[in-house]
Amino acid sequence: ETGVTQSPTHLIKTRGQQVTLRCSSQSGHNTVSWYQQALGQGPQFIFQYYREEENGRGNFPPRFSGLQFPNYSSELNVNALELDDSALYLCASSPDPLGEKLFFGSGTQLSVL
Amino acid sequence: QKEVEQDPGPLSVPEGAIVSLNCTYSNSAFQYFMWYRQYSRKGPELLMYTYSSGNKEDGRFTAQVDKSSKYISLFIRDSQPSDSATYLCAMTHTNAGKSTFGDGTTLTVKP
Repeated sequence: ETGVTQSPTHLIKTRGQQVTLRCSSQSGHNTVSWYQQALGQGPQFIFQYYREEENGRGNFPPRFSGLQFPNYSSELNVNALELDDSALYLCASSPDPLGEKLFFGSGTQLSVL
Repeated sequence: QKEVEQDPGPLSVPEGAIVSLNCTYSNSAFQYFMWYRQYSRKGPELLMYTYSSGNKEDGRFTAQVDKSSKYISLFIRDSQPSDSATYLCAMTHTNAGKSTFGDGTTLTVKP
């Protein structure tokens, strides 16, 4: 059984640029969520997709957007990067639409300079 | 005030000690309670999952939920150096569509 994989593992961008992060869900999971984790804090919910439809969104601005594909892989796009966007971005898949059991990837560490 | 508050630690114990990790919450709608373990530079790993109140045991780990007090705990018996990590509590409810996490407690178990 393949777990959740994320790419890239590390990324350095400058303020104002755009970034795309990618995630492959665990086999058999049709729900994917994205979380942002700042240093020393818990993960903060960005949004969740179930069968390619967004079914929940946290308090993040519209420049954070996402997609889920028919094979249940996913992308997180962030436009107009700000310094405060520097964080660990975590993708998690779940076997059910509620998504209470999250299976996380190792994350993408994004640094915005 | 945050919906989920977690004892920040850090916590340092000798090998073999019993560890108690705790979270309080304010949203009475929360029904599902989880504990995750996160090693440095890794994603969180689901340790324990509990629905509603009560206790759940899995090996050296016991999760307790007291909904009347809005208080959850994770106990680790016979702690090992490999248990050294950050422990995150998380909770959700049927209509939430998301999990709300505490900020984590960093545990160090010394040999």
